[in-house]
Amino acid sequence: NAGVMQNPRHLVRRRGQEARLRCSPMKGHSHVYWYRQLPEEGLKFMVYLQKENIIDESGMPKERFSAEFPKEGPSILRIQQVVRGDSAAYFCASSPGGNEKLFFGSGTQLSVL
Amino acid sequence: SQQGEEDPQALSIQEGENATMNCSYKTSINNLQWYRQNSGRGLVHLILIRSNEREKHSGRLRVTLDTSKKSSSLLITASRAADTASYFCATIGGGRRALTFGSGTRLQVQP
Repeated sequence: NAGVMQNPRHLVRRRGQEARLRCSPMKGHSHVYWYRQLPEEGLKFMVYLQKENIIDESGMPKERFSAEFPKEGPSILRIQQVVRGDSAAYFCASSPGGNEKLFFGSGTQLSVL
Repeated sequence: SQQGEEDPQALSIQEGENATMNCSYKTSINNLQWYRQNSGRGLVHLILIRSNEREKHSGRLRVTLDTSKKSSSLLITASRAADTASYFCATIGGGRRALTFGSGTRLQVQP
């Protein structure tokens, strides 16, 4: 049973470009969470999605950031018009339901030049 | 704001010693979870303790929960160099419907 798959592992973008981060949850998991981590810091919650629904987006910046988890396919975190401050590691996690025992992917390291 | 905060921020011990990390949180909880993160990797779930439990064990891990003090501790006994990692507590609260994590304790176990 494959774990949570995130791609790409590393993503380099120039300021103003768009970044698309993908996350395929574990098989049978319908809940997906996105977190952001700066070096030497903890994880900052961004958004919690269930298939086709956003459950909690209270940690998501109001502008430029969006997330979706369609009926078919991976969850996508989209950052438009990236700025240097968006450089961070973005982690996706999944669970079969609720918030007990999240399974994390290896993350996408976004670097904005 | 952070729901959980770990203490200390960093801890360095010798192999074979015990390591204790503490977590404080702000609002009432249903459960508290501890996770581990190796450098550059995703988090791995270690243990979950429910609000009606006071202590839980898993291998060399012992977790306690004091809901009156809104605090938890993680004890790693007989530490090994491979235990070197960052450890985070996580809870749900502060109006959010997903787990929020503290800033973590960076544990260094010297061989």
